[in-house]
Amino acid sequence: QVQLQESGPGLVKPSETLSLTCTVSGGSINSYYWSWIRQPPGKALEWIGNIYYSGSTNYNPSLKSQVTISVDTSKNQFSLKLSSVTAADSAVYYCARSRDSYGYFDYWGLGTLVTVSS
Amino acid sequence: DIQMTQSPSTLSASVGDRVTITCRASQSISRWLAWYQQKPGKAPKVLIYKASSLESGVPSRFSGSGSGTEFTLTISSLQPDDFATYYCQQYNSYPFGFGPGTKVDIK
Repeated sequence: QVQLQESGPGLVKPSETLSLTCTVSGGSINSYYWSWIRQPPGKALEWIGNIYYSGSTNYNPSLKSQVTISVDTSKNQFSLKLSSVTAADSAVYYCARSRDSYGYFDYWGLGTLVTVSS
Repeated sequence: DIQMTQSPSTLSASVGDRVTITCRASQSISRWLAWYQQKPGKAPKVLIYKASSLESGVPSRFSGSGSGTEFTLTISSLQPDDFATYYCQQYNSYPFGFGPGTKVDIK
């Protein structure tokens, strides 16, 4: 059974960079697309971007200037960096898998709450 | 970007009721739509993909229909475990987008 687990700091200061890692277990990171999705408290879901195991990426234009997603196939991990954060970036961040470049999300991590505050 | 809307935003229903949620896309997405269920403090769980295909392990009381710009999720007989928030998501084109959600609560 594929499992995804997000990890990273729960508190980030304004203007700094938010960094999260998603570790994939129970299956290979190869041949799938891996996304980051966030959800501010009480609000809807927002797709941030995805990466293929080869390293090719797609980003939401609304966040493109802030976002970098990378993959480390040797560790079965992929990562998110979101720069110059503000309070509006406070959210639960999920990692998720899809089988195709244009695909729905069949496996999700549990999510991790990141708060942006000084 | 394709905008997704859902109606109603909140739905009050009783166990055993037939429930229908509507999702609309701002332009045609063919059948590239998924439905998710989310409970408080939990990650979303996919119920339906490609508008009407039931994800493995999902009870058959859930069904989806539609194409183009209008889609529905139907729960044929609401069960206690079904009280949750439901989201639609288009994956026809980037950036992928989610609807604002429909909360199904107890009447």
